[in-house]
Formats: sequence, structure tokens, C-alpha cells
Amino acid sequence: EVQLVDSGGGLVQPGGSLRLSCAASGFTISTYAMSWVRQSPGKGLEWVADIGGSDDNTYYADSVKGRFTISRDNSKNAVYLEMNSLRVEDTALYYCAKGPFVTSVTHFDCWGQGTLVTVSS
Amino acid sequence: DIQMTQSPSTLSASAGDRVTITCRASQSISNWLAWYQHKPGKAPKLLIYRASSLESGVPSRFSGSGSGTEFTLTISSLQPDDFATYYCQQYDTYSKAFGQGTKVEIK
Repeated sequence: EVQLVDSGGGLVQPGGSLRLSCAASGFTISTYAMSWVRQSPGKGLEWVADIGGSDDNTYYADSVKGRFTISRDNSKNAVYLEMNSLRVEDTALYYCAKGPFVTSVTHFDCWGQGTLVTVSS
Repeated sequence: DIQMTQSPSTLSASAGDRVTITCRASQSISNWLAWYQHKPGKAPKLLIYRASSLESGVPSRFSGSGSGTEFTLTISSLQPDDFATYYCQQYDTYSKAFGQGTKVEIK
């Protein structure tokens, strides 16, 4: 069974850092492009970042560019989101999501359960 | 950036009703559109991709149509399990955007 398990969320002060993890099972992450998507309290879904399955190309939403870094460890079959210079507006439930292709994410055919990030003083 | 606008924001319906949700793109996205169902505390679920292709395992009462800038998601006969929030998402560009969501409530 294809499964994603998100972890690493928590409470952090503005300007702080946090690293989210996404453990994949039932498939090999190097054969699919992967993403992070977030949902702020009471709001809709917002795409955050992508990483290619075979080429490590990365793409970011303008709202996080320069502050967040998506990466992948094929040996651990895991994807990460390093978040720096966190802002109050980054408070959200963060989901790891899988695309159906290796080179780029189009739509998302599997999602994790989400991990909550709260940025507050 | 491409903006996605869904209507209505909230929809009240009864089990057995035919329900239609509309999603409009700020510019043409061909048929690069997906639809998701999202319930509180659960992971979003892919229903439709490429505007009208039904994801494996999704009941056939769900269908999608449209191309260019206007798209619809139809539930032919609403079931109790279908009360949820529905999102469209464009993938014409790498900067994927979601609609603001349509909450389907019990009437």
C-alpha cells in the first residue's frame, strides 16, 4: 500500500527554523516527483514546493522562495522540508504529497496525514 | 500567476441530489485540472485528473468536464459520505494553484 507519513511539526517562534519529514512506503521516492502542500487555519490548500524524482530539480511558491528548501534522501525513502526565517503566516498544516510521474508533479495522487506548524511568540 | 475561482463557496444539498461545482481559471489551462475531496482531519483525496479522468477506485457518480478556462465537477447522486470540501487545482504551470474550495453541506 502506498503511504506517506508526515512528521516534525511543532511550535516555533517567528524567525525560527523547523524541519519536516515525510516517510514513504509502498513505493520508491526516486521514481516519483514529490511535493509539500499546506493549509492555513480556516483557509484553502496552497502548493509550497516540488522536487523531481530523478533530477533533483526543485520549484517553490513565491511565498516561501529563499526561506524553504525541499530535499530527498533516497536511502531513507524520505522527503524533507527545511523551513527557515519562519513567519506567523507560515502557520499551517503541512502535507507531503506524491505526483504520478518521475520528472514533475502535476496533480497529487497520494497525500500524508499532515503535520501542524505553529509560528507564534 | 494563474488564479482559480470556484463557485459556489458553500452548497447545501440532500442525499440523492445532483450536485455541480464550477471552477474557472484566469487563463486557459487546456485540460490540466484536478479535483480533490477533503474531509476534516483526513488527507485530501484525488477524484479527477486531466479534467475528466476518474482516479482508480473513485465511485463513478463523480465526473469532471471542461477545458480551457471553465470546468465542472458533478456528483450524480450525493451520498452521505460525500459531504466534504472540494478543491480544484491547475497544473498548467509548475506553480500549481488551488481554488478556494466548495463546502458541500447537509441541507
